[in-house]
Amino acid sequence: EVQLVESGGTVVRPGGSLRLSCVVSGFTFEHYGMAWVRQAPGKGLEWVSNTNGYGVNRGYADSVKGRFTISRDNAKNSLYLDMNSLRVEDTAFYYCARVLEGWEIPSFDYWGQGSLVTVSP
Amino acid sequence: QSVLTQPPSESGTPGQRVIISCSGSSSNIGSNYVYWYQQFPGTAPKLLIYRNDQRPSGVPARFSGSTSGSSASLAISGLRSEDEADYYCAAWDDSLFRPVFGSGTEVTVL
Repeated sequence: EVQLVESGGTVVRPGGSLRLSCVVSGFTFEHYGMAWVRQAPGKGLEWVSNTNGYGVNRGYADSVKGRFTISRDNAKNSLYLDMNSLRVEDTAFYYCARVLEGWEIPSFDYWGQGSLVTVSP
Repeated sequence: QSVLTQPPSESGTPGQRVIISCSGSSSNIGSNYVYWYQQFPGTAPKLLIYRNDQRPSGVPARFSGSTSGSSASLAISGLRSEDEADYYCAAWDDSLFRPVFGSGTEVTVL
């Protein structure tokens, strides 16, 4: 059974930093691209970042470029999102998702349960 | 503002057919596959349609996707109360060089 479990979400002050983790099981992790998608409370889905199976290729939304870094440790079946210079508008549920096709295409076939990041003064 | 435009809401009675539209441009829907997601309150999204019209295993045949030019549609036939959810379209955008999501459509079963 494919499972994705996020952790690390918490309350943080503006300007602070945070690392989200996503541990996966049930499939060969390095064979798949992975992504982070966020959703502000009561709002729609927003793609944040993605990476290919080996973590070499990475993409970022303009809203997080230069502040967030996606990475993965295939030996630990883990995906990460390092978030720096956090802003109030980064408040959202952050989902990790497996990419079904390629690594850039928004074909997310499995999702984690989400991790809430709240940026508040 | 979302790159892909969806109506905020659609509704129908049980058994009816509801169609959700997703309007884009030649750089996204017009030249790339469309994906649809279903999301219930408080839960993660679920892939409903991939590659415009393909259903993942376990998705009922009541759900169907189609595209025409720079627009896509998700049809729900034989609407059921359990179909009440938010639905999002998504596609790769060749001009923005990133994935884009629609604004989402809330489906209500009357």
